[in-house]
Amino acid sequence: DTGVSQNPRHKITKRGQNVTFRCDPISEHNRLYWYRQTLGQGPEFLTYFQNEAQLEKSRLLSDRFSAERPKGSFSTLEIQRTEQGDSAMYLCASSLTTGIVNTEAFFGQGTRLTVV
Amino acid sequence: AQSVTQPDIHITVSEGASLELRCNYSYGATPYLFWYVQSPGQGLQLLLKYFSGDTLVQGIKGFEAEFKRSQSSFNLRKPSVHWSDAAEYFCAVGDDQAGTALIFGKGTTLSVSS
Repeated sequence: DTGVSQNPRHKITKRGQNVTFRCDPISEHNRLYWYRQTLGQGPEFLTYFQNEAQLEKSRLLSDRFSAERPKGSFSTLEIQRTEQGDSAMYLCASSLTTGIVNTEAFFGQGTRLTVV
Repeated sequence: AQSVTQPDIHITVSEGASLELRCNYSYGATPYLFWYVQSPGQGLQLLLKYFSGDTLVQGIKGFEAEFKRSQSSFNLRKPSVHWSDAAEYFCAVGDDQAGTALIFGKGTTLSVSS
């Protein structure tokens, strides 16, 4: 297992275009998290899934953002009609949380989005 | 409001010297506290965490942190810094052991001089 994998690593898009990022968590991890990190800031929580259920969404997740985890494995984060303010590093993390076994969140290397 | 404050944006330490990175939090419930490190081009790596019990916790790479409830602090320390410790360090607080919906500080960049 190579850890949390995110693709692509870098994405440059024109304002107004739609983009989709993929996250493959550590296998058997039931929770998956999305964070956004802008320059000079710490990561900010966006949303998380337990298996395929999206359990919490931050107010940062505007209507242009949608996240899915259809089979409880990989997840996608789509941004529609991108704006320059969406330029950031998008981080994915996963954990195993069962109540009996609780690991910390393991982070991927992120997808850096640049909107031009 | 829940928040994490890391007062120092950038710290430079000589190799071999001791290190302390400050972290203060504001959290309504019992805090689950974490320190993460981020090297350029790398994801966040957990250094240590505190949930309960002994207020001095040991982590990886020789780091330790002390939880002080009266001061709402969770400062990170290392007795002797190595050049490879140069990175960005984030303190975070969360709702549970997994760190669900973590609230991060803005980070402290550590530079190590020879």
